[in-house]
Order: sequence, then structure tokens, then C-alpha cells
Amino acid sequence: QVQLVQSGAEVKKPGASVKVSCKASGYTFTSYYMHWVRQAPGQGLEWMGIINPSGGSTSYAQKLQGRVTMTRDTSTSTVYMELSSLRSEDTAVYYCARKGQAVGLGYWGQGTLVTVSS
Amino acid sequence: DIQMTQSPSSLSASVGDRVTITCQASQDISNYLNWYQQKPGKAPKLLIYDASNLETGVPSRFSGSGSGTDFTFTISSLQPEDIATYYCQQYDNHLTFGGGTKVEIK
Repeated sequence: QVQLVQSGAEVKKPGASVKVSCKASGYTFTSYYMHWVRQAPGQGLEWMGIINPSGGSTSYAQKLQGRVTMTRDTSTSTVYMELSSLRSEDTAVYYCARKGQAVGLGYWGQGTLVTVSS
Repeated sequence: DIQMTQSPSSLSASVGDRVTITCQASQDISNYLNWYQQKPGKAPKLLIYDASNLETGVPSRFSGSGSGTDFTFTISSLQPEDIATYYCQQYDNHLTFGGGTKVEIK
């Protein structure tokens, strides 16, 4: 069965960077693009970007351009999302997600809480 | 960027009531719209894809309609387990989510 397992919670200071991992299993890693979505406490869902695990190409939300980097390691079936120059507004739960049988995001990781605080 | 305006932001209804949520896109997105349910502390769950198609395993009391810029999500008979926040999401150009609708029991 498809599983997306994310790394654990992080606490970072303003200005630092954070790197969250998402390890995929139960399917051919390179066959499905991976999205990253975040959710600030009590707020809605925000799409951050997408990576093609096959070739590594990426596309990011305009708002995060220059601060976000998505990479992948095909040897471990893991995608990574790194966010730099962290500020308090980046405090959120970060999810990786991929398409299911239909066109929507049918499989999600469990979420990783990133807290930015001095 | 395509903006998604969802309304209402919250609603309270009785068990058995019909519940309707609307979502408006800032430009024509054809039927490139999905609906999700999110319960507290959990990841979102896909309910409806391509505006009107029910995801496998989702109860038939959930439905969706619309195309172009105006979309509707309906729960035909609200159940206690439907208490959650619901989001629309377009995928015509990247992804954008609506602001969410919190559904509570009256």
C-alpha cells in the first residue's frame, strides 16, 4: 500500500532553514509527482510546489520562489523540501502529497510541524 | 495566480440537513476542481474530483457540481461524522485551495 512517511517535528529560529523529508513506499517512486502543502495553525491549506521524482524538475508557488527548494533521492525514494530564511509566519504543518487513482491528492504524509520561534 | 473564493467560511446545521458550500474561481478552470474533507489533526481526504466525481469509498451523500468559475459541494443529509472543514482546490494552473468551510452540528 502507498505510504508517505515524513520526518519529525522541528523547532527553528528566525532566519534559519529547515529540511523536511518524505519517504515513499508501496509504488514506483518515479511514476508520480510529489506536492508539498502547508497549513499554518488554524488556517487553510497552501500549495507550496511540486517535484517530478523522475527527472527532478520543480515548480514552486510564486510566493515562496527563492526560499523553497525541493529535491529527491531516487535511491531511497525520498523527496525533500527545504525552506530558508524562516520567519514566524512559516510556522505550520507541512505535508507531502501525491495523486491517487483520480486527479486529486489521494495520498498524504502524516504532516510535519515546523515551529519558528526565537 | 488563480484565486478560489469559498463560502460560507463556517456553517452550523442539524443532523439530516442538506448542506451546500460554494466555490468561485477567479477565472475559467473548466472542471479542474477537487473537494477535500479535513478533520482536526488529520491530513485532508479527497472526496470529489473533476468537480463531480465521487472518489472511491466516499459515501454517496457527498456530491459536487459546476464548471467554469462556479462550483457547488453538497452533503445531502448531514451526519455527525461529517463534522470537518471542507476545501475546494483548483488544478488548472498549479494548485490553489479555497479558504475552507468549517461545518458544525447545530
